[in-house]
This record gives sequence, structure tokens and C-alpha cells, in this order.
Amino acid sequence: KAGVTQTPRYLIKTRGQQVTLSCSPISGHRSVSWYQQTPGQGLQFLFEYFSETQRNKGNFPGRFSGRQFSNSRSEMNVSTLELGDSALYLCASSFETGSTEAFFGQGTRLTVV
Amino acid sequence: ELKVEQNPLFLSMQEGKNYTIYCNYSTTSDRLYWYRQDPGKSLESLFVLLSNGAVKQEGRLMASLDTKARLSTLHITAAVHDLSATYFCAVDLNSGYALNFGKGTSLLVTP
Repeated sequence: KAGVTQTPRYLIKTRGQQVTLSCSPISGHRSVSWYQQTPGQGLQFLFEYFSETQRNKGNFPGRFSGRQFSNSRSEMNVSTLELGDSALYLCASSFETGSTEAFFGQGTRLTVV
Repeated sequence: ELKVEQNPLFLSMQEGKNYTIYCNYSTTSDRLYWYRQDPGKSLESLFVLLSNGAVKQEGRLMASLDTKARLSTLHITAAVHDLSATYFCAVDLNSGYALNFGKGTSLLVTP
């Protein structure tokens, strides 16, 4: 079956711009969570959506936002980009609660210049 | 605040040897995950441990969970080069998938 699809795979943006990343979960999965991975901070949780509702939120500024659509596809948006937002952004999809595996997409590599 | 600590952070081991990676976490949880990441790649799910005393094995890897000690271990048996990767443990406190990751253990298996 198809895995988790993230688009685009690579992005280069300028400071101050905004960016939208997309994540299509595995068919039938209703939970989508987002993570930021950087060499310095490691893997950090951004937020999780379940059935179009934000279920959990990490400790990131309000510039980071997300949403989930009725088909479970999710987008995250980062406004007013800063150099420190350069990272690999990963999304994970899972069927329902924490009793099952979370499958990760290939990620979007964002570079802010 | 939940803290997840892995040790060691770097591990170089010879093929054929055994070793254990430790994952300690600071708050009670009965959901722990192990992932593998190859350079430039995404995260691959290895194990999901959902109860105290849970033990799972896949090939040369075996993971266990002691919720009372807040400790999980990933044991590597007779390491081979293909196991070279970074291994992450993650703990989830909430009902969903808000995973708190350790910093990862970078494993290099040499001949």
C-alpha cells in the first residue's frame, strides 16, 4: 500500500516569507503528526491532528500552524520564516491512538536563506 | 516536562559483538517506540512497546520496556554492518501521537 507522502521534498525560501508543506497519510489513517528535525535540537513535536481537529500541540511559536482536511491530508504553514526554521520537517500517519505504529513520510527539507 | 535520554549517543562496535542502547524517560508512560533512521532518510518504525515488561524481537534487535524504572533497552546481538544507523526512542504521554524523542544513538558497526 502507498506510504505517507510529503510534498515538496525540498524547498528554499527567503527570510520573512511563508511556506506551506503538505502531508498525505496512508489510506484509512486519521492521525497526522508533524515533527521538526534539526542537528542541534533533534526531533521535536510540532502538532497532531485527528479527524480535522488539533489533538496535541508542541512548544513552537504561533508562526507554526497546521490544519487537516476531511480526507485526512494535512498541511503545516510557517509564516515569517527565520533562518532557524531550516530543518527537515517530517509527518507521521497512524490509524488512531497510540496503540499502533506511526509511519513517517520522507520529509520536506526546508532551507531558509 | 517529559525528558527522554538515550545513551550512549555514539557507539562504534565490531561486527559480531553485542551491545545495549538505553532509553530513560522522566514521566510515567506505558507507550514507547523505537525508530531507525539512515542518513538522509526518514524514520523507520522498529518496535512499539505498550506495557510494562513488553519484549519484542526482530532479527538481531530486541527491545524491552520497564515502566516502573522508566527504562527501555534496545539490545543488539551479533552486530552486522547493515545495522549502522541512528536509533531513536520516543515516548508518548498523551492519547494521540505527540512523540517526545531522545537525541538518538548513532551506531557504526565496523568489520
